[in-house]
Amino acid sequence: EAQVTQNPRYLITVTGKKLTVTCSQNMNHEYMSWYRQDPGLGLRQIYYSMNVEVTDKGDVPEGYKVSRKEKRNFPLILESPSPNQTSLYFCASAVGQGFYEQYFGPGTRLTVT
Amino acid sequence: TQLLEQSPQFLSIQEGENLTVYCNSSSVFSSLQWYRQEPGEGPVLLVTVVTGGEVKKLKRLTFQFGDARKDSSLHITAAQPGDTGLYLCAGANNAGNMLTFGGGTRLMVKP
Repeated sequence: EAQVTQNPRYLITVTGKKLTVTCSQNMNHEYMSWYRQDPGLGLRQIYYSMNVEVTDKGDVPEGYKVSRKEKRNFPLILESPSPNQTSLYFCASAVGQGFYEQYFGPGTRLTVT
Repeated sequence: TQLLEQSPQFLSIQEGENLTVYCNSSSVFSSLQWYRQEPGEGPVLLVTVVTGGEVKKLKRLTFQFGDARKDSSLHITAAQPGDTGLYLCAGANNAGNMLTFGGGTRLMVKP
């Protein structure tokens, strides 16, 4: 079954404690991306990757890091989380440019206290 | 940054009614997508429109991309309770590597 998986699904942490949210896809997609979803602001793109070792900033990259060492994995790293990063995070993958057949993961709800 | 205005934000209708959701921008998009999102889940892609003026149908859902590729609409005929959910439009930039989402339309269809 084609899918994007994220872990953990829920996370409560404290300010400044480094964390990683993993994302993996089984469709051999070249394109992967991270979004955050906030009430009243909708979905906003954090980072994206066109292929292995190629990453670029989205609209809201501050406070986040990503890496793409393997085609299937695209972890999101918060080196020093702050309360304003409390949000619902989604990983997504697509065949390539143009977002054709883009699949989203189930989401990770992060709370930073 | 490109912006997409989606309207209405909320829509509550009776089963069997028709409805239209609009997605407008001053920017041109290379393609536009519509997603549906259920609570606790990620968005699910419904359709991608690429050509200005393009119309696509998916059962009772009709999607249209504006001639100038700046706006789009989603029309649902004879809505059913199963159509309840959050509908999102999203436009791709010219390079096809960044996606801008509208704020979403929360639809509730009452039996």
